[in-house]
Amino acid sequence: GENVEQHPSTLSVQEGDSAVIKCTYSDSASNYFPWYKQELGKRPQLIIDIRSNVGEKKDQRIAVTLNKTAKHFSLHITETQPEDSAVYFCAARGSTLGRLYFGRGTQLTVWP
Amino acid sequence: DGGITQSPKYLFRKEGQNVTLSCEQNLNHDAMYWYRQDPGQGLRLIYYSQIVNDFQKGDIAEGYSVSREKKESFPLTVTSAQKNPTAFYLCASSISDNTEAFFGQGTRLTVV
Repeated sequence: GENVEQHPSTLSVQEGDSAVIKCTYSDSASNYFPWYKQELGKRPQLIIDIRSNVGEKKDQRIAVTLNKTAKHFSLHITETQPEDSAVYFCAARGSTLGRLYFGRGTQLTVWP
Repeated sequence: DGGITQSPKYLFRKEGQNVTLSCEQNLNHDAMYWYRQDPGQGLRLIYYSQIVNDFQKGDIAEGYSVSREKKESFPLTVTSAQKNPTAFYLCASSISDNTEAFFGQGTRLTVV
């Protein structure tokens, strides 16, 4: 099956700086890559996703890039704010229909 | 809020007892999933169902059971055979194919 690795496990940045979280996957047939944000004690919520036919996608301060050849994808958050502090999960939808494989998460802390 | 509801939010169980966690969705989604979340472990798949009356084991199915008698409902039973059941349990649903998964608010199970 698919294996998703996520780095770093913790990330601290100053307000206004950029944050980058990286993930790699093993199944070359994976074709859907969502990113979820989970605030303490709450449900994960989708913040951005990308499909395998696209190399980059942006939504305001958030962007995701995908390199299919290297089998890695990254989340970029610019102009970080304290409310960006949360755990972020990457995931990949493998060749088994409907099955998402998650990374272990990154705890992002943005200091004011 | 999101159309997928888990209950209860907190659950306490004595060792040796079975307990059932509820998950209901009104999104008309075909696929439903159960994940377990432990600190530093990310989201691990317990069971998933792509259609009514059918379900498959995920990565950590031992000690758990599910049913999918109705499209909108996917209850999870934590049996006494689960050796370490204390965790945060998340239910999710999605339209089958290449789309977003929506999460419930989670149930925190504690064995006392």
